[in-house]
Amino acid sequence: DAKTTQPPSMDCAEGRAANLPCNHSTISGNEYVYWYRQIHSQGPQYIIHGLKNNETNEMASLIITEDRKSSTLILPHATLRDTAVYYCIVRAQGAQKLVFGQGTRLTINP
Amino acid sequence: DAGVIQSPRHEVTEMGQEVTLRCKPISGHDYLFWYRQTMMRGLELLIYFNNNVPIDDSGMPEDRFSAKMPNASFSTLKIQPSEPRDSAVYFCASSQHRTIAGERNDEQFFGPGTRLTVL
Repeated sequence: DAKTTQPPSMDCAEGRAANLPCNHSTISGNEYVYWYRQIHSQGPQYIIHGLKNNETNEMASLIITEDRKSSTLILPHATLRDTAVYYCIVRAQGAQKLVFGQGTRLTINP
Repeated sequence: DAGVIQSPRHEVTEMGQEVTLRCKPISGHDYLFWYRQTMMRGLELLIYFNNNVPIDDSGMPEDRFSAKMPNASFSTLKIQPSEPRDSAVYFCASSQHRTIAGERNDEQFFGPGTRLTVL
């Protein structure tokens, strides 16, 4: 799987948009970008995924650059409950393995 | 659905003892995964099954670890004998092979984990 690079930590004020970057410069054409998060003492939770188009669901938005070498996960109105470690993962279509890196520890401050 | 169920939630044992972790996947899911999480190594995949058959066990650290899936609703991860370095949180996850609008969606659902401490 392609390697991803994320900042180790970020802070965001409650109510503001949290923008989490991810670099995946070696991504292949058939590889998707997945985002999971892990709230303290819980198992990881799926957030969103995309191939090349921007995606939005009830949790977040995913913006993928045109060259697909980087992406940004956007939490539009962060709450204290969004404090977690966020993992950006690249995975080929049909592949089952998720390879987790170190992720970004996002802290939402009141 | 209750989600992925793992038991026990916490296990404390002594070095050399056998440890069995249990997992009940979400009904209807055809993939089951075992992960281990430590501070040093992060979250790593140990093994996964498809339709109860082990597909990839390359992440299993050594012969002391074994996993089984006797039916679609139950899996075990066994460590025998256990060692202090096995102390970690072990997660089970399941997913369903499905296609939505022509695109695969293999979202994995994780259980709450079992925190294992080997003294």
